[in-house]
Amino acid sequence: GENVEQHPSTLSVQEGDSAVIKCTYSDSASNYFPWYKQELGKRPQLIIDIRSNVGEKKDQRIAVTLNKTAKHFSLHITETQPEDSAVYFCAASWGAGNQFYFGTGTSLTVIP
Amino acid sequence: GAVVSQHPSWVICKSGTSVKIECRSLDFQATTMFWYRQFPKQSLMLMATSNEGSKATYEQGVEKDKFLINHASLTLSTLTVTSAHPEDSSFYICSASHGTSQETQYFGPGTRLLVL
Repeated sequence: GENVEQHPSTLSVQEGDSAVIKCTYSDSASNYFPWYKQELGKRPQLIIDIRSNVGEKKDQRIAVTLNKTAKHFSLHITETQPEDSAVYFCAASWGAGNQFYFGTGTSLTVIP
Repeated sequence: GAVVSQHPSWVICKSGTSVKIECRSLDFQATTMFWYRQFPKQSLMLMATSNEGSKATYEQGVEKDKFLINHASLTLSTLTVTSAHPEDSSFYICSASHGTSQETQYFGPGTRLLVL
């Protein structure tokens, strides 16, 4: 089956700096890669996703890059704000109707 | 759009009792629903995949007779924890996807179960 690794497990940045979280996957059949943000005690919220036919996607301060050859994808958050503090999970999937294989999560702290 | 609700949000029960958790897609039809379990400071662990009108597919190590899943309609799936024990205490989260044409999963708010 698929194996998703996520690094780092914890990340602290100063407000205004950028944060980068990286994930690798093992199954070349995976073609959908979402990123979720989860605040303590709350549900995971989709923040951005990318499909395998795209190399990069951006939504305001958030961007995701995908390298299919190397089987890794990264989340980039620019101009970080304290409200960005949360746990971020990456996932890989074979597509619609299929399960997600989640990374182990990254706890991001933005220091004011 | 794409709102998923879960009920109850938290429950406390005695050992040996059964607890039913409901997961509803409020504004879309969910062909597939997923049930996860999450321990503190850990990732989401998939328990089972549920397709409307068919039996759930359980992940390895998840007891199907203990965690009963029913997906009777396109907007409702239920998870029943039977004969609950303290080790079943956890945060249970469901997710739903639109169907075979949509990859995204939308998560419910979760149910915190405490078994005494």
